[in-house]
Amino acid sequence: QVTLKESGPVLVKPTETLTLTCTVSGFSLTNARMGVSWIRQPPGKALQWLAHIFSNDEKSYTSSLRSSLTISKDTSKSQVVLTMTNMDPVDTATYFCARIREATCSSVSCYSYYFDSWGQGTLVTVSS
Amino acid sequence: SSELTQDPAVSVALGQTVRITCQGDSLRSYYASWYQQKPGQAPILVMYGKNNRPSGIPDRFSGSSSGNTASLTITGAQAEDEADYYCNCRDRSAMVFGGGTKLSVL
Repeated sequence: QVTLKESGPVLVKPTETLTLTCTVSGFSLTNARMGVSWIRQPPGKALQWLAHIFSNDEKSYTSSLRSSLTISKDTSKSQVVLTMTNMDPVDTATYFCARIREATCSSVSCYSYYFDSWGQGTLVTVSS
Repeated sequence: SSELTQDPAVSVALGQTVRITCQGDSLRSYYASWYQQKPGQAPILVMYGKNNRPSGIPDRFSGSSSGNTASLTITGAQAEDEADYYCNCRDRSAMVFGGGTKLSVL
């Protein structure tokens, strides 16, 4: 059974750095064509993809937050960590981690990406 | 960066068919995936690839794609299908979500 669980602070102050950890089970962070993404959702608003890291260590970030995000993984601990610097009240949101899969692949590229398992999410409030 | 556009709200009569659409240039290169989210819950995957349903998703859900538009169709909508639906797609090396469609089952 695949599970993902987010952990981190529930409250951070403006300008502080947020560190979130996603602990996974039921699969390995070394499995091919798999990775972990971070996705957030401000209260009452839409989902926003933030970053992902694949088993081959490919990383990608949303362009609007690229300078403030860092994603990394510790395969021995089955954990993926996201840090976000210079937090602002607009960053108040529920933060989800999700397993990302790639499929429908040729020898050079894949054409289908999807999030097949999600954590329950953790609400992070940014306030002084 | 690319965007995915969804209608903010759609309604359907109980038992009828509804199509939820998602438009964006990246859909010309990559398949969309679709997520259902009910209040207070994490999203769940309901459709991915050309027309693939994860285990446990009813067969009344189907997917299709043409040009820059991906569609999620619910044939015979049920009360429990009332939820927010989000499309997602790869865009170069990143991923992008649509703004979501609130589905009301009347």
